[in-house]
Amino acid sequence: DTAVSQTPKYLVTQMGNDKSIKCEQNLGHDTMYWYKQDSKKFLKIMFSYNNKELIINETVPNRFSPKSPDKAHLNLHINSLELGDSAVYFCASSLLIGGGFYNEQFFGPGTRLTVL
Amino acid sequence: SQQGEEDPQALSIQEGENATMNCSYKTSINNLQWYRQNSGRGLVHLILIRSNEREKHSGRLRVTLDTSKKSSSLLITASRAADTASYFCATDVGNTPLVFGKGTRLSVIA
Repeated sequence: DTAVSQTPKYLVTQMGNDKSIKCEQNLGHDTMYWYKQDSKKFLKIMFSYNNKELIINETVPNRFSPKSPDKAHLNLHINSLELGDSAVYFCASSLLIGGGFYNEQFFGPGTRLTVL
Repeated sequence: SQQGEEDPQALSIQEGENATMNCSYKTSINNLQWYRQNSGRGLVHLILIRSNEREKHSGRLRVTLDTSKKSSSLLITASRAADTASYFCATDVGNTPLVFGKGTRLSVIA
């Protein structure tokens, strides 16, 4: 199936731990994103990578570190997890070439992170 | 940063009725996109309307854009229970991240 996939789907962990979320897309897109959706459903962009290069880094604590080993993968590592990090994290991808950010984005199913 | 805001926050209708959701934004845009999010799922792109377009259709969906009022509307005709979801508008102002609104939660009652 062509899609954006994320693992794990659920992540429950203790405060202070370090965790990673993985994302892969097989749509041939050149741009990938990480979004955070809070309990009120507000969706806020965190990072974006184009051809493995970081192009967007919104105001996000440096405990969050994205890594893109290739165009098809964008992982998110979070150090020293805090209660406020609890949210649903979405990966997305799109084609940036010739279109800028206005191309439609394809979203993964989300990772629900709960920090206890 | 500017943000699209959907109105109403929640909408409950009977199956077969039409549902209308609105989105207002603050600055000039290149285009506006509508997405749907089913409970526990990722967002799914529905329609993209460019700033020089006024209306666009896709199946039972109709999107209008009024750049003078900085607003857009999404109409779902003959709604079905399966249309129950949250609907988000997202604005593109060019080479900046898409900015999503907080969504309208639509409930279609069978």
